[in-house]
Amino acid sequence: QQQVKQSPQSLIVQKGGISIINCAYENTAFDYFPWYQQFPGKGPALLIAIRPDVSEKKEGRFTISFNKSAKQFSLHIMDSQPGDSATYFCAAGNAGKSTFGDGTTLTVKP
Amino acid sequence: NAGVTQTPKFQVLKTGQSMTLQCAQDMNHEYMSWYRQDPGMGLRLIHYSVGAGITDQGEVPNGYNVSRSTTEDFPLRLLSAAPSQTSVYFCASSPNLLSGANVLTFGAGSRLTVL
Repeated sequence: QQQVKQSPQSLIVQKGGISIINCAYENTAFDYFPWYQQFPGKGPALLIAIRPDVSEKKEGRFTISFNKSAKQFSLHIMDSQPGDSATYFCAAGNAGKSTFGDGTTLTVKP
Repeated sequence: NAGVTQTPKFQVLKTGQSMTLQCAQDMNHEYMSWYRQDPGMGLRLIHYSVGAGITDQGEVPNGYNVSRSTTEDFPLRLLSAAPSQTSVYFCASSPNLLSGANVLTFGAGSRLTVL
């Protein structure tokens, strides 16, 4: 039973475009929803995170939208740059344990 | 401040061999965990610890053993390596449950190949 479903598996965007990655969760006990960015050969690094009492959080070009009733959240990358090319993981956490989505490989073409 | 340090970075084992992946953090984090990353399958939790002397199983614990004798160290032991354990292993740590245990800091990973 996969508790966090992430889509798409891969995404190609032109430089300057908007990248959108979606996640859905099942367990309503989750109370923390982070996104991690991973470059090849490196460990994942926290990018941005949101709690369920907030519907949107923005940090620079990165925005999380959260829909508690639908149990869905998404990452929007505005003005996508080639340097954003990486694998992105959504996660859902509770009491210290995090469940990850399968990841989205983003390629931003110059 | 080194963060989370994993050793070795690469390891090749033969089926049946045992080994230990080392993980150390210098951030005084109470929570530590081990994940494995396989293509198309995200990160799956193997074992975790909420403090020295306390460990618990995650989603895929079979074939692995952990201990937490100090706050800083959280080694992962493969008891009898199998080809199915070929993967990239990540150690992660986070502050205590009250101050944000869900914010994980990851190490650089250990790539293990079992022949």
